[in-house]
Amino acid sequence: QKEVEQNSGPLSVPEGAIASLNCTYSDRGSQSFFWYRQYSGKSPELIMSIYSNGDKEDGRFTAQLNKASQYVSLLIRDSQPSDSATYLCAVNPVGSGYALNFGKGTSLLVTP
Amino acid sequence: DAGVTQSPTHLIKTRGQHVTLRCSPISGHKSVSWYQQVLGQGPQFIFQYYEKEERGRGNFPDRFSARQFPNYSSELNVNALLLGDSALYLCASSPGTGGNEQYFGPGTRLTVT
Repeated sequence: QKEVEQNSGPLSVPEGAIASLNCTYSDRGSQSFFWYRQYSGKSPELIMSIYSNGDKEDGRFTAQLNKASQYVSLLIRDSQPSDSATYLCAVNPVGSGYALNFGKGTSLLVTP
Repeated sequence: DAGVTQSPTHLIKTRGQHVTLRCSPISGHKSVSWYQQVLGQGPQFIFQYYEKEERGRGNFPDRFSARQFPNYSSELNVNALLLGDSALYLCASSPGTGGNEQYFGPGTRLTVT
């Protein structure tokens, strides 16, 4: 079983702080990695993709990938109450074609 | 531009019945994937289609089937519904080439009673 693990949370951060969300995966050959945001009762929304080791920044979001450690993270700077949602990590394992393997998600709560 | 559309939004069925869910991808996207999401879990991959050909199948029973049409829209069919099939069914659209960014539609909430 090709696992994607996330801490379910809830992770609580004050407004304006940096939220750090973490994800580990078991398939060392995985090549593509994604972060989705899902509000309660809604469908997942793609917020970041990352394919190479290192950091990728997009606005207040930074994705970090370390393939040697099989670890991918998402940083949210200047967190806002509107960022409160479940964040899903998704991985495309080797040999699975284009199927995405999702973690269970981390619930983030940003308090005013 | 319109995003991914799915129909119906909600559906209530009885055990043993059959259901058909529909999806239209983002204009220009040629690949459609289907996922099942139960409460408290991440989406689980069911199928992917590209240019009308099945490109991947997840670990779901044969009661689940799908197809893609020439206009790239897709249907997911589930036969002999079980209570455990109650879930949010998500369709994801992707270009089919290049990166694997997948964009989800609003989903169909299926309740089996």
